[in-house]
Amino acid sequence: AQRVTQPEKLLSVFKGAPVELKCNYSYSGSPELFWYVQYSRQRLQLLLRHISRESIKGFTADLNKGETSFHLKKPFAQEEDSAMYYCALRDQAGTALIFGKGTTLSVSS
Amino acid sequence: GAGVSQSPSNKVTEKGKDVELRCDPISGHTALYWYRQSLGQGLEFLIYFQGNSAPDKSGLPSDRFSAERTGGSVSTLTIQRTQQEDSAVYLCASSPQGAGGGYTFGSGTRLTVV
Repeated sequence: AQRVTQPEKLLSVFKGAPVELKCNYSYSGSPELFWYVQYSRQRLQLLLRHISRESIKGFTADLNKGETSFHLKKPFAQEEDSAMYYCALRDQAGTALIFGKGTTLSVSS
Repeated sequence: GAGVSQSPSNKVTEKGKDVELRCDPISGHTALYWYRQSLGQGLEFLIYFQGNSAPDKSGLPSDRFSAERTGGSVSTLTIQRTQQEDSAVYLCASSPQGAGGGYTFGSGTRLTVV
């Protein structure tokens, strides 16, 4: 079964601390994985995708097939990073994205 | 348009009534998706349209839910005989064909069934 698991509902860190938002997936074959972010009162938007191997707003995510993980990391959190983060997996049919339940990141000073 | 437009932004309806939610995707985007966002449940896939192909309805939770897409553009999600558990934010997204997952989401319709 295809599934995305985000084990933490809420992650609270202090400004300047490292951040790791966990994402594990279940999938047969080579997965396509994404991170989406929703800031307060804003639309859900794409943050990054694993095939691009990009760094956006200081965030990176590495696909680890052995651990079936795609954790989102940032070395130094900023208050403006506070948002809801969703990990997503493209389904086997290559059509819709399967989303995790999301993790709320709260960064305080 | 410049982005994905959804209307209404908020809808309060009485249990048992039918509702229609509208999505106007980005011009030229062939793929259109509907999701439901509930507290604690994340984003639940409902239905997917791609060009003129038959839609993927595998995510619709019951036969009270239906959707259509006219002329390959505007889409309407209809919920018949609404129930309180239908209360959620309904999100629409669109993407160009072969976009590699880069959806553009609308701001959603918050549906409250009382």
